[in-house]
Amino acid sequence: EIVMTQSPATLSVSPGERATLSCRAGQSVGSDLAWYQQRPGQTPRLLIYGASTRATGIPARFSGSGSGTEFTLTISRLQSEDFAIYYCQQYNTWPPITFGQGTRLEI
Amino acid sequence: EVQLVESGGGLVQPGRSLRLSCTASGFTFDDYAMHWVRQAPGEGLEWVAGLSWNSGIINYADSVKGRFTISRDNAKNSLYLQMNSLRSEDTAFYYCTKAWSSLGANFDSWGQGTLVTVSS
Repeated sequence: EIVMTQSPATLSVSPGERATLSCRAGQSVGSDLAWYQQRPGQTPRLLIYGASTRATGIPARFSGSGSGTEFTLTISRLQSEDFAIYYCQQYNTWPPITFGQGTRLEI
Repeated sequence: EVQLVESGGGLVQPGRSLRLSCTASGFTFDDYAMHWVRQAPGEGLEWVAGLSWNSGIINYADSVKGRFTISRDNAKNSLYLQMNSLRSEDTAFYYCTKAWSSLGANFDSWGQGTLVTVSS
């Protein structure tokens, strides 16, 4: 099983600032890495797949980077609706498909 | 517009069974792999099971293997999860998810979820 580790657990930032979230895989997953956003009381939404490709309808202020074992989700110019929990997920070697424990982005 | 609507959740005693259903619309159901993902209240996401477009490839998380069975009926645009020998640790919201391809394992659409509570 590939363990996914996200850091930090909680990130406090202000609207308009940039947020950088990290995800580390226990072994290489190539570029088979996705990011999801879960706003309070809502279901998860796919943001990024293939480590860096934005899903349909995702604003350009969301960007993903990395390969192998180190990945980053960057959100530039934070807006109020961006405060949520973010999960990374690997789909390179499965089963099982594994998620990180999440990073809570708060004001 | 893709829609995934789960049903079948509820309160069940430990050791009993429950069957979840997911009805899909807005896309060609039999072109895509489908998965179940769960989330215990206040916790993170856990993949449960998935199957390919034609049910030729089926996989389970170790935590449910031998107790849960995933299946699909492409004629009815429906996905199912038969859950037997339920345990308290199975309590969670269960999400039906659509993969991005026929064999895929990332999830581009999610249902609203159905809550399963296992308690005596």
